[in-house]
Parts: sequence; structure tokens; C-alpha cells
Amino acid sequence: SAVISQKPSRDICQRGTSLTIQCQVDSQVTMMFWYRQQPGQSLTLIATANQGSEATYESGFVIDKFPISRPNLTFSTLTVSNMSPEDSSIYLCSAGQGAYEQYFGPGTRLTVT
Amino acid sequence: AQKITQTQPGMFVQEKEAVTLDCTYDTSDPSYGLFWYKQPSSGEMIFLIYQGSYDQQNATEGRYSLNFQKARKSANLVISASQLGDSAMYFCAMKLSYGKLTFGQGTILTVHP
Repeated sequence: SAVISQKPSRDICQRGTSLTIQCQVDSQVTMMFWYRQQPGQSLTLIATANQGSEATYESGFVIDKFPISRPNLTFSTLTVSNMSPEDSSIYLCSAGQGAYEQYFGPGTRLTVT
Repeated sequence: AQKITQTQPGMFVQEKEAVTLDCTYDTSDPSYGLFWYKQPSSGEMIFLIYQGSYDQQNATEGRYSLNFQKARKSANLVISASQLGDSAMYFCAMKLSYGKLTFGQGTILTVHP
């Protein structure tokens, strides 16, 4: 199984600022995913982070708001830009090597004031 | 389009008893995987069990078993001998061949002593 770490674990940010979340996997993986979980809601996929190419964004999410980097097969970052209180959520990084596995990092709990 | 439905917003169970959490899915893709995750109040997503669409037998992992009924498109999670530590949110999710997970709305399980 893959072990996934995220930094920071939580943060409180002012509106209008940006926060970059880091995700590290302990083994090489082809695809990494970024999810958002708004308070009391289920998980929603933001984008798939592809190594060597641009991220693939889901409907409702755009690169200007959530730029993603994937410099190698074990690391990715998600930036939440120009934050508003509506961006207050848990952001989760996910990865898995095969069709039968998908693991998650511990999440980043973001509060925007 | 694929869809996952969890119709039980909340479930209650007595300690040491078994409980079934319902999950139905919809996809036209013949190849898919079904996952169950546990999310305690800390926010982390803990992988519990996986069932592949071509698996002939129901998956089991310790106290967790997956009641897979392909014709009915259901993948219910059975937790045997419930413990107080099982109190959490539980998510059912489906993964198609291109890798991303689609989640249900979740079920909050409360275990009473």
C-alpha cells in the first residue's frame, strides 16, 4: 500500500491570499488526484495530476483557481488561489498503483476568514 | 455517467452487533472497482475494502465484508461485531478504468455502548 503525506495539515488564511498544499507519496505512482470535501459534504474530484503534462480538471474547477504541479512520480502540489470563505474545506490528495487500490493522504483542513 | 448512491444518511447499531451500510451504483462500463472508506472526525480517509467487477467472491477484510450483488448493482458493507471505534462517516466509491473515484453521499454510523 502507498503511504501519502500532506503539508500543511491545517491552516487558517485570509481571503484574497493563496495556499499551496504539498502531497508526497512513498512510491512512484502514475496518477495523483486532488479532492475537495466541503463541510458536511462528500468528496469531489478537483483534478488529476499527470506527470509531465498539464493537470486534467473536472467540470467546475479551473486552472487559474487551482493550479497543480506534478514535477515527478512521487510529488504534487495544489494551490488554492485568491481564497474566499467558500474555499474552506478539507483538501485531500490521493494515489494508487493499480485499479484495485486508492489511498488518501491525511488531508489539509483549510479555513478562510 | 457513473453514479454512487448511499440512501442512509445515518445508522445506529448496538456495540457487538452487525450492521449493513447500503450502496448502489450505476455504470455501463463492464470493468469497475468498488471501494469503501471510513472517515473519522479527524478527516482522514481510511481504506476498508475493495471489490472488483469481475471478482466471483465477495471481498472480506477482518470484520468488514462486502455483499456484492452485481445484477442489482449493489455493494453493501457489512461490519460484524461493531465496536465504539467504528463510529464514523462511511463512503462508498466506484472507480472506472481511467482511475478517478466517484463517491456516494456517505453514511454516518453511530455505535451505542
